[in-house]
Amino acid sequence: GAGVSQSPRYKVAKRGQDVALRCDPISGHVSLFWYQQALGQGPEFLTYFQNEAQLDKSGLPSDRFFAERPEGSVSTLKIQRTQQEDSAVYLCASSFSLGPGPGTVEEFGPGTRLTVL
Amino acid sequence: AQKVTQAQTEISVVEKEDVTLDCVYETRDTTYYLFWYKQPPSGELVFLIRRNSFDEQNEISGRYSWNFQKSTSSFNFTITASQVVDSAVYFCALSEAVTGNQFYFGTGTSLTVIP
Repeated sequence: GAGVSQSPRYKVAKRGQDVALRCDPISGHVSLFWYQQALGQGPEFLTYFQNEAQLDKSGLPSDRFFAERPEGSVSTLKIQRTQQEDSAVYLCASSFSLGPGPGTVEEFGPGTRLTVL
Repeated sequence: AQKVTQAQTEISVVEKEDVTLDCVYETRDTTYYLFWYKQPPSGELVFLIRRNSFDEQNEISGRYSWNFQKSTSSFNFTITASQVVDSAVYFCALSEAVTGNQFYFGTGTSLTVIP
């Protein structure tokens, strides 16, 4: 099926390396979200895009985290100078809703598991 | 403060037993939505249900049912006649009208159904 896809599925990085995580949302989905899920925890919001516009980045934990969606489809989450505490599963979600709005059903990808050594 | 609390970290049941997963939420909004998602070992979150704050009717979908009680700020999820395929982590989530961009997830309940 044409669900949300993410790549790579697994990434191991040495502390201090930069990483880039890719999200391919469902075709036609306007809204795109990134979440961080630490081991044994629920996902936590990082950032939200409506088309190419990043409307909310309040959840990004530091200025080492950067997300973009230049053409309003594929999105990349970049983490610079990775730290051990960045180890987590990074989930991408998309929805067809024109705006985020409460109650929007978000469809999630399988996630990228990042391990920082 | 935690907006969504799932007090049960892990639950094990024997196949065909009924099981209820608890969810308590906290919000000052009068308009909000509650969700349940299932996360199987493959990792993706699978949408199960959405309920808005103005609809307190209980819902049944096959073996799944949900009990929404605003008086106790709870949105509990019951699986009837559990099956091994129900084994997964289940997350309850809240979306508010004021901060509608994001979900607030609970910490999840890991359900194991033993054959």
